[in-house]
Amino acid sequence: LAKTTQPISMDSYEGQEVNITCSHNNIATNDYITWYQQFPSQGPRFIIQGYKTKVTNEVASLFIPADRKSSTLSLPRVSLSDTAVYYCLVDLYNQGGKLIFGQGTELSVKP
Amino acid sequence: DGGITQSPKYLFRKEGQNVTLSCEQNLNHDAMYWYRQDPGQGLRLIYYSQIVNDFQKGDIAEGYSVSREKKESFPLTVTSAQKNPTAFYLCASGRQGSGELFFGEGSRLTVL
Repeated sequence: LAKTTQPISMDSYEGQEVNITCSHNNIATNDYITWYQQFPSQGPRFIIQGYKTKVTNEVASLFIPADRKSSTLSLPRVSLSDTAVYYCLVDLYNQGGKLIFGQGTELSVKP
Repeated sequence: DGGITQSPKYLFRKEGQNVTLSCEQNLNHDAMYWYRQDPGQGLRLIYYSQIVNDFQKGDIAEGYSVSREKKESFPLTVTSAQKNPTAFYLCASGRQGSGELFFGEGSRLTVL
């Protein structure tokens, strides 16, 4: 099964760009990569999803290299409200829909 | 509005009692999931279901049971066999193979 590895925690300051990288060395051909954001005592919220190269939406960008063994979530100009835990999830397309989350990265944004 | 609803939000239970957590969705999703989250930890998969009347064990299914009699509903029962049930429980739904999950607000279970 594809296992994801992320840094446990990261610190940043308001206005900076934050990049969080996730490793998924044994990702399968049909697997998508999805990132979620979770605030304390709430359910995770979908941020962005991609398969290869680069995807951008109104809140983030997702960079996926050609070998797809890692992905990087980029948050431009973070604010205090971006303090949260971020999870990358590899959609196990060929594993009957079993979706396993990694440990997540706790991002702390300081003023 | 479309969404996924969990109830109750808070639940207290005495040791030895079974409790059932409700999860209902009106998003017409085939797949539904139950995760457990302990303080400062990630999400661990308990059970998941891709279709009505079928479900699969996740990584920590012992002490839990589920049913999927309707597409909209995926209740989780925490049985007395679960040795450490105090946790935050999250239900999610999604389209098969999409990787995009919609989560409920969670149910916090405390065993007294």
